[in-house]
Amino acid sequence: EAGVTQSPTHLIKTRGQQATLRCSPISGHTSVYWYQQALGLGLQFLLWYDEGEERNRGNFPPRFSGRQFPNYSSELNVNALELEDSALYLCASSYGQGATDTQYFGPGTRLTVL
Amino acid sequence: DQQVKQNSPSLSVQEGRISILNCDYTNSMFDYFLWYKKYPAEGPTFLISISSIKDKNEDGRFTVFLNKSAKHLSLHIVPSQPGDSAVYFCAASAFHDADKLIFGTGTRLQVFP
Repeated sequence: EAGVTQSPTHLIKTRGQQATLRCSPISGHTSVYWYQQALGLGLQFLLWYDEGEERNRGNFPPRFSGRQFPNYSSELNVNALELEDSALYLCASSYGQGATDTQYFGPGTRLTVL
Repeated sequence: DQQVKQNSPSLSVQEGRISILNCDYTNSMFDYFLWYKKYPAEGPTFLISISSIKDKNEDGRFTVFLNKSAKHLSLHIVPSQPGDSAVYFCAASAFHDADKLIFGTGTRLQVFP
């Protein structure tokens, strides 16, 4: 069974640009989560999508947004990039909702903002 | 405000010995706790979890202990193996916000022969 996949592996952008990160969940999983792991910080919850709807978001500005497609894959968009957006962005998927449903993580997209 | 804290950024243990990774939390609403292991260039993988109604959960070589009064949990790995070398993240969630996992900053465990 294929795991969670993310693309691209690495992404280099300059300040002010937009970045789009993609995630494909495990087959059968309807929930997709996005996390940011910045240097020296733990994984910080960004967004949760389920059945095409944004269900919850973390403490991030509105320029972090995304969507979930009918096939449950997801995009994370970061507008007006800032240097501090440089981080590893991890996507996770789960079968159900809630933390008791194990979240399976992808390998991540490393975003570098110059 | 770091609600989940892993105060030891690294830990080095000899193979065969016990590894103890610690995690403290500040939010008394947290009622479910998880440990994830992360190898370089891979996403975190789920290791073990514990609900606040229990104080211990065991899975093979891995045991998680929860001390609610101290707002502290720990992961014990016995016996430690070189393949356990990874970064370990503690995570917590609250029932009313169950989908939102709050992670610690991680502890890098190195198990040497």
